[in-house]
Amino acid sequence: DAGVIQSPRHEVTEMGQEVTLRCKPISGHNSLFWYRQTMMRGLELLIYFNNNVPIDDSGMPEDRFSAKMPNASFSTLKIQPSEPRDSAVYFCASSRQGSTGELFFGEGSRLTVL
Amino acid sequence: GQQVMQIPQYQHVQEGEDFTTYCNSSTTLSNIQWYKQRPGGHPVFLIQLVKSGEVKKQKRLTFQFGEAKKNSSLHITATQTTDVGTYFCAGKVSYNTDKLIFGTGTRLQVFP
Repeated sequence: DAGVIQSPRHEVTEMGQEVTLRCKPISGHNSLFWYRQTMMRGLELLIYFNNNVPIDDSGMPEDRFSAKMPNASFSTLKIQPSEPRDSAVYFCASSRQGSTGELFFGEGSRLTVL
Repeated sequence: GQQVMQIPQYQHVQEGEDFTTYCNSSTTLSNIQWYKQRPGGHPVFLIQLVKSGEVKKQKRLTFQFGEAKKNSSLHITATQTTDVGTYFCAGKVSYNTDKLIFGTGTRLQVFP
């Protein structure tokens, strides 16, 4: 199994630019989560999907952030326009409903906004 | 909102010493999970506890879930340099949600 695949691994961009982070969950997993990790705020849940449907987006910081899951094997997290305070590591994780509920994390996308 | 705090924030130990991290939730949890994140890596699942007062062991690691299901602990006996990393607890507030709230984490450093 390839695990959760995220891209890009690293992104450096300038303030105001659009950023798109991508995630491919583990095949057969029907829950997908986006987390953001910073030193100051730790691991924050931004949004999660069940069966491609957004269930809870209360952690999405503001309107500049949006997430989609057009099908079971792909999700995107978009930031438009980006700001320096968005600099963080963004993790995607997936799990299978009905299992122990353990999350399988991708390796993360490290975003730096200058 | 729900908060999950861990203490200590950092712990430095000599190899061979024991280590414990404590996790406290502001609300009752349906279950609790523990994850380990190596420096520069991603969180990796260790274990899940579901029952009140539950105790589970994995080799040198002992996990406990409090009677009130609001706190948990992870104890490592005789630490090794391979135990270095940040340990997170993560809890769900109900059985009907997949929403997992992560604790603030405890960073463990082990000196040889």
